[in-house]
Amino acid sequence: DAGVIQSPRHEVTEMGQEVTLRCKPISGHDYLFWYRQTMMRGLELLIYFNNNVPIDDSGMPEDRFSAKMPNASFSTLKIQPSEPRDSAVYFCASSRTGLTKNIQYFGAGTRLSVL
Amino acid sequence: RKEVEQDPGPFNVPEGATVAFNCTYSNSASQSFFWYRQDCRKEPKLLMSVYSSGNEDGRFTAQLNRASQYISLLIRDSKLSDSATYLCVVNKMDSSYKLIFGSGTRLLVRP
Repeated sequence: DAGVIQSPRHEVTEMGQEVTLRCKPISGHDYLFWYRQTMMRGLELLIYFNNNVPIDDSGMPEDRFSAKMPNASFSTLKIQPSEPRDSAVYFCASSRTGLTKNIQYFGAGTRLSVL
Repeated sequence: RKEVEQDPGPFNVPEGATVAFNCTYSNSASQSFFWYRQDCRKEPKLLMSVYSSGNEDGRFTAQLNRASQYISLLIRDSKLSDSATYLCVVNKMDSSYKLIFGSGTRLLVRP
């Protein structure tokens, strides 16, 4: 089975531009998570969805960040406008209700650089 | 105090050595505990879940001490391929699906 698929793998953009990160969870998984990883702050949960509905977005840094999940196989994380401090690796992960210990499986990540 | 605390290392050990990492967590109500492994510039991958009774997977042994709120990972007979960052992970009290990741302990296994 394919794992969690993220695109693009790398994104370089200029400050002020809109950035859209994409994620396809593992088929059959009903939980989807967006994380951000930086050297300073480590791996932080931004938002998570259950059955396409946002459950907790308390980790979203500010209004410039938004996330959607229009269907069970696709989610986006959008940053508008982007700022240099948004530079990080963004991971998407998925899980399934009933999965042993709620294990999460991660995508390869999107490395974002905002110049 | 951080919710999950780990010694960042690095732990620099020769092949064949036994190495142990500890991790402490602040939320006594946490129910799910994991060790994830992250290679340089890669995604975190589950190494093993941690059960109350302790569990072993080959060269890896995980232990949970609820009274002291710490988790340990023991790696026996270290291999070069064990070089990675090991992340201690605990769930948040308000949701079994919200995971808190420690900042990781870096392991370097030298020939």
